[in-house]
Amino acid sequence: AQSVTQLGSHVSVSEGALVLLRCNYSSSVPPYLFWYVQYPNQGLQLLLKYTSAATLVKGINGFEAEFKKSETSFHLTKPSAHMSDAAEYFCAVSDENYGGSQGNLIFGKGTKLSVKP
Amino acid sequence: ETGVTQSPTHLIKTRGQQVTLRCSSQSGHNTVSWYQQALGQGPQFIFQYYREEENGRGNFPPRFSGLQFPNYSSELNVNALELDDSALYLCASSLERWGSTDTQYFGPGTRLTVL
Repeated sequence: AQSVTQLGSHVSVSEGALVLLRCNYSSSVPPYLFWYVQYPNQGLQLLLKYTSAATLVKGINGFEAEFKKSETSFHLTKPSAHMSDAAEYFCAVSDENYGGSQGNLIFGKGTKLSVKP
Repeated sequence: ETGVTQSPTHLIKTRGQQVTLRCSSQSGHNTVSWYQQALGQGPQFIFQYYREEENGRGNFPPRFSGLQFPNYSSELNVNALELDDSALYLCASSLERWGSTDTQYFGPGTRLTVL
C-alpha cells in the first residue's frame, strides 16, 4: 500500500532562512506527488505537483520540490522564508489503484511551519 | 471563476444523529471528492463523484454517502454519527475524474463536532 511520511510535525525557521520540509513516499509504480498548503481556517491550496516530467518542480510563492527516485523523496524547499509562509504543509501521493490520477490522494500527516521575525 | 464553497462552516451534533454537509464546486467541474481530516492528521479520501455517479470510495463505512447534482453542488451525508466522526470535512472539485492529473480545488471545509 502506498504511504507518505512527513518528517517533523513542526518546523520553525527565521524570516529569510531556508525552508526545508521533508517528504518520503512509498509506491510500487512511478508516483504522482503533490504539495499542498493549508492556512488557518482555509482549505488546501496546491503548491506544486510532480507528474513524471522534470524532476525539479517549481510551484507558487517561490517553493520548489525535487523528485528523487533513489531516495523515494519529494522534499519541499524555499530559499528565503517569509512571515506569510507560516501554515501547515501536506505532501500527498496519488493512489496507484486508480491509475495514478489525482482522483484519490493519500496525504501525509502534515508539517506546521512557523516563521520567526 | 468562483472558488469551492462549503456550508455550514461549523456544526455540532450528538451521537446517533444524521448530518448533511454541502459543497458547491467550481462551475464546469464534473468531479467532486470528499475528504475527512481528523485533528492533527492529513485528509483521508472518503469518495468521489463524477457526473452524479459515485466513482470510487475510500475505507469508509456505508453510513457515509453522497450525492452530486447537475448544478455542480454536492452533499455528504453521515448517518448514525459516532464520536470519531468529529473532523474537518473537505470537498474538492476538478474538471476530470481519475485518469488525469487535473488539479483539485479544495473548499474551506466544514468542522463537525459530535458530542
